[in-house]
Amino acid sequence: GENVEQHPSTLSVQEGDSAVIKCTYSDSASNYFPWYKQELGKGPQLIIDIRSNVGEKKDQRIAVTLNKTAKHFSLHITETQPEDSAVYFCAASSSSGGYQKVTFGTGTKLQVIP
Amino acid sequence: IAGITQAPTSQILAAGRRMTLRCTQDMRHNAMYWYRQDLGLGLRLIHYSNTAGTTGKGEVPDGYSVSRANTDDFPLTLASAVPSQTSVYFCASSDQYHTDTQYFGPGTRLTVL
Repeated sequence: GENVEQHPSTLSVQEGDSAVIKCTYSDSASNYFPWYKQELGKGPQLIIDIRSNVGEKKDQRIAVTLNKTAKHFSLHITETQPEDSAVYFCAASSSSGGYQKVTFGTGTKLQVIP
Repeated sequence: IAGITQAPTSQILAAGRRMTLRCTQDMRHNAMYWYRQDLGLGLRLIHYSNTAGTTGKGEVPDGYSVSRANTDDFPLTLASAVPSQTSVYFCASSDQYHTDTQYFGPGTRLTVL
């Protein structure tokens, strides 16, 4: 089955600096890669996603890159702000066995220091 | 539009008791999912439903059952709770016909003593 590895597990950056979170996946059938932000006591919220036919996607301060050959994808947050502090999860998704199979990474706790 | 609601928010339960976690969505999504979230393990799929009347097993289904009588509701039942089922449970839904994106509820924190 799919295996998603996420690094680092914790990340501290100064406000205004950039943050990068990296994930790798194992199943070449995965074709959709969402990123979720989870604040304390809340459910995960989708912040950006990318499909396998695209190499990069940007939404304001957030960007995601995908390298299908190497099976890795990354989240980039620029000009970080204290409200970016949260746990971020990457995921790899494919339609498998009759349902949408989503495998999540183990999360990165991002702390933005004011 | 509320999206996905879950109840209760939290619950402490004695081992051996039966418990049903409720999940309701108002987005008319065809697919619904139950995950459990444990520290260091991320989110793991328990059960899913692609459409009303059908359900399937995910990665960690043992000890749990689900039903999907209609589009909006997807309850998760623990027939006889055990301490290893202490976790945070998230319900999610998606419109599989148009997008792969799953939307999550706020979660239920369950402690089994």
